Amino acid sequence: KAGVTQTPRYLIKTRGQQVTLSCSPISGHRSVSWYQQTPGQGLQFLFEYFSETQRNKGNFPGRFSGRQFSNSRSEMNVSTLELGDSALYLCASSLGVGRNIQYFGAGTRLSVL
Amino acid sequence: DAKTTQPTSMDCAEGRAANLPCNHSTISGNEYVYWYRQIHSQGPQYIIHGLKNNETNEMASLIITEDRKSSTLILPHATLRDTAVYYCIAIESGANSKLTFGKGITLSVRP
Repeated sequence: KAGVTQTPRYLIKTRGQQVTLSCSPISGHRSVSWYQQTPGQGLQFLFEYFSETQRNKGNFPGRFSGRQFSNSRSEMNVSTLELGDSALYLCASSLGVGRNIQYFGAGTRLSVL
Repeated sequence: DAKTTQPTSMDCAEGRAANLPCNHSTISGNEYVYWYRQIHSQGPQYIIHGLKNNETNEMASLIITEDRKSSTLILPHATLRDTAVYYCIAIESGANSKLTFGKGITLSVRP
């Protein structure tokens, strides 16, 4: 069974631009969660989607948004990029909402210049 | 969710058991203890979880004290590939639960 796939693996953007990251969950998993990892703040929860609806949200500004499609694939978008948005963005999938056994992808490394 | 406290780092020799401690003195009765690890440049990986009883799987064993205020993750025969950051998380199950990762403990396995 294929694992969680995140694309692209690396991305370089400039301040003010926007970016879209993609996540394909494990087949049969309906919940997708997104996390941001930085050296200073560690791993922080962004949001969780289940059945195309956002079910949980972390403490991030509205510039961070996401969506989930009917095939459970998910995208997250960051608008008006800031230097501090440089981070590893991780996606995790699980069978259902609020499930604590999550399977993580390798992440997308975003650098904002 | 209960706060967990872990040492910053530890090391062990390859082939020996690695015992990683975690304190969760404010854990409530319906909070589980989960362990994840993150190998450098990879996403976190689920290892094991438990509520009250000790648990074992192909990766590790989890020992939870009777008062549930602390636990120990045991890697019985550590290898170099077990070098990683290990996170201990105390969390309820439920639709509103979300994993909260602390700083974790960095385990270095030496040859």
